[in-house]
Amino acid sequence: SAVISQKPSRDICQRGTSLTIQCQVDSQVTMMFWYRQQPGQSLTLIATANQGSEATYESGFVIDKFPISRPNLTFSTLTVSNMSPEDSSIYLCSVEGEDNPQYFGPGTRLLVL
Amino acid sequence: AQKITQTQPGMFVQEKEAVTLDCTYDTSDPSYGLFWYKQPSSGEMIFLIYQGSYDQQNATEGRYSLNFQKARKSANLVISASQLGDSAMYFCAMREGPGGSYIPTFGRGTSLIVHP
Repeated sequence: SAVISQKPSRDICQRGTSLTIQCQVDSQVTMMFWYRQQPGQSLTLIATANQGSEATYESGFVIDKFPISRPNLTFSTLTVSNMSPEDSSIYLCSVEGEDNPQYFGPGTRLLVL
Repeated sequence: AQKITQTQPGMFVQEKEAVTLDCTYDTSDPSYGLFWYKQPSSGEMIFLIYQGSYDQQNATEGRYSLNFQKARKSANLVISASQLGDSAMYFCAMREGPGGSYIPTFGRGTSLIVHP
């Protein structure tokens, strides 16, 4: 299984600011995924990030609010822009393993004041 | 319509006893995969067990087993000999399509509390 790390693990931010979350994988993967989990809720896919192309966003998520970079096959970043308290969530990156399941990073807990 | 339904928002079990967490799914695709994840309070999503739609036998991984009833479209997770460390949120997920070519859909989750 892939080993995934995320930075930061948690942050408290002021509204109107932006935060960039980093995701590092210990092996090369084609697709990386970014999820949001609002308090007490299930996971919602934000976008799929492929290396060398623009990310594919799910309904309700736009690039201006959640720009994503995928510079190589082991790394991706998600930026949460112009934050509001509604953006307070756990943000998780994940990759698809060769044996089918998706593996997740430890998550980034974001609190926006 | 929801693709994954977890009807138990919360479950309680005595330490060392077995517990079943329910999951039903909805798909018309003959090829799909079912997953269970554990999310402790730390927030990390931990993969537990996988069942493919064409698998003849129920999946097992240590104390975890998946009670797969295809005709009923259910994929319940059974945890045997519960431990205090099993207290967490548990999510059922499904991915449709051959070779996992589609994005998984997650249920709302079940909160499990193990009592000493």
